[in-house]
Amino acid sequence: QQQVKQSPQSLIVQKGGISIINCAYENTAFDYFPWYQQFPGKGPALLIAIRPDVSEKKEGRFTISFNKSAKQFSLHIMDSQPGDSATYFCAASPTQGGSEKLVFGKGTKLTVNP
Amino acid sequence: GAVVSQHPSWVICKSGTSVKIECRSLDFQATTMFWYRQFPKQSLMLMATSNEGSKATYEQGVEKDKFLINHASLTLSTLTVTSAHPEDSSFYICSALAGGTYNEQFFGPGTRLTVL
Repeated sequence: QQQVKQSPQSLIVQKGGISIINCAYENTAFDYFPWYQQFPGKGPALLIAIRPDVSEKKEGRFTISFNKSAKQFSLHIMDSQPGDSATYFCAASPTQGGSEKLVFGKGTKLTVNP
Repeated sequence: GAVVSQHPSWVICKSGTSVKIECRSLDFQATTMFWYRQFPKQSLMLMATSNEGSKATYEQGVEKDKFLINHASLTLSTLTVTSAHPEDSSFYICSALAGGTYNEQFFGPGTRLTVL
């Protein structure tokens, strides 16, 4: 019940295309869903995050779509660029009960070809 | 976003020695920090939760006597790998809770530990 399942494991997209990464969770106590971007040899960087009170959040080329009833959320990268090539991790955590521990998906390696 | 630093960025040590890694929140105070370990091409594995002024809480299977955590101030947490062995070689990453409305978790740049 603590798992966050992420797919696909790897993704290859052409420059200018749309990259879509999906995540699913089971724990209904989760109410914070961030996405992190990680380049090789670096720490993860917070990209965008959403809470269940909204179904979509957009920041620039990055959009999170959230489906509370299906317990799924996804990251859309519009107009994908070679510089977006990185590993993306979805995560989830509860924010009530004093625990903010993130549960991470296994990651998606995105390659954007020029 | 909030900035978290780690020092050193990489370290090579001999088997049996101890190594200390520092994690600092540079522009905010963090009562809670986390320590993760990441193996190549894998996700982050939470090792422990570090709370300022109290003992760290370790995840199941993490040896607390081997991975000593001290959260001495609102901006500094340290991880000491004691009596390091080659199997401790890994990428260690800390994060800090920024508080505020959304309580986002910001990560440091990581420390690459190689034990010879």
